[in-house]
Amino acid sequence: SAVISQKPSRDICQRGTSLTIQCQVDSQVTMMFWYRQQPGQSLTLIATANQGSEATYESGFVIDKFPISRPNLTFSTLTVSNMSPEDSSIYLCSVESGRDHTDTQYFGPGTRLTVL
Amino acid sequence: SQKIEQNSEALNIQEGKTATLTCNYTNYSPAYLQWYRQDPGRGPVFLLLIRENEKEKRKERLKVTFDTTLKQSLFHITASQPADSATYLCALDDTGGFKTIFGAGTRLFVKA
Repeated sequence: SAVISQKPSRDICQRGTSLTIQCQVDSQVTMMFWYRQQPGQSLTLIATANQGSEATYESGFVIDKFPISRPNLTFSTLTVSNMSPEDSSIYLCSVESGRDHTDTQYFGPGTRLTVL
Repeated sequence: SQKIEQNSEALNIQEGKTATLTCNYTNYSPAYLQWYRQDPGRGPVFLLLIRENEKEKRKERLKVTFDTTLKQSLFHITASQPADSATYLCALDDTGGFKTIFGAGTRLFVKA
């Protein structure tokens, strides 16, 4: 199993500022995923981050708003740029377990973001 | 349109009873379906995976069924305990998009 840590665990930010969330995995993985979970809602995939290439963004999410870095096989960052109150959410990173050729995932503890 | 639906209302049951949670989906053809547990302030934790050719899967007190005709999965916790109180998410693979799609989850409360 993979152990994933995220920093910060929570933050309160002002409108118009940016926050960078870090995700660290205790083993090398090919793909890392970034999700958003708004209160009472399902997890929504923001993007998939592969080491050495540009992240792949899902419909409704753009690189200018959510730039992602993936400098090596154990680390990734997600930046939430020019924040507004609508960006208040929990942001989660995850990796695939590699179990039985499925996309079962291990998740980090999440970063709870509040934008005032 | 494509949808995954889980009971949005919380499920309250008495300790020792069996909890049954439902996951219905529309316009997906998943090869497998997963169930996760999420506690407040934490990321989801994988519990069970069931494939389309499996009718039932068990793990300790947990049982999952998968009916591809009804497009439904049922998640059972037998002999429930207060420690089972959490939100349970179902997820399926979107083979067209090569990604995992999550339901919104059902909150379970087990009373002592």
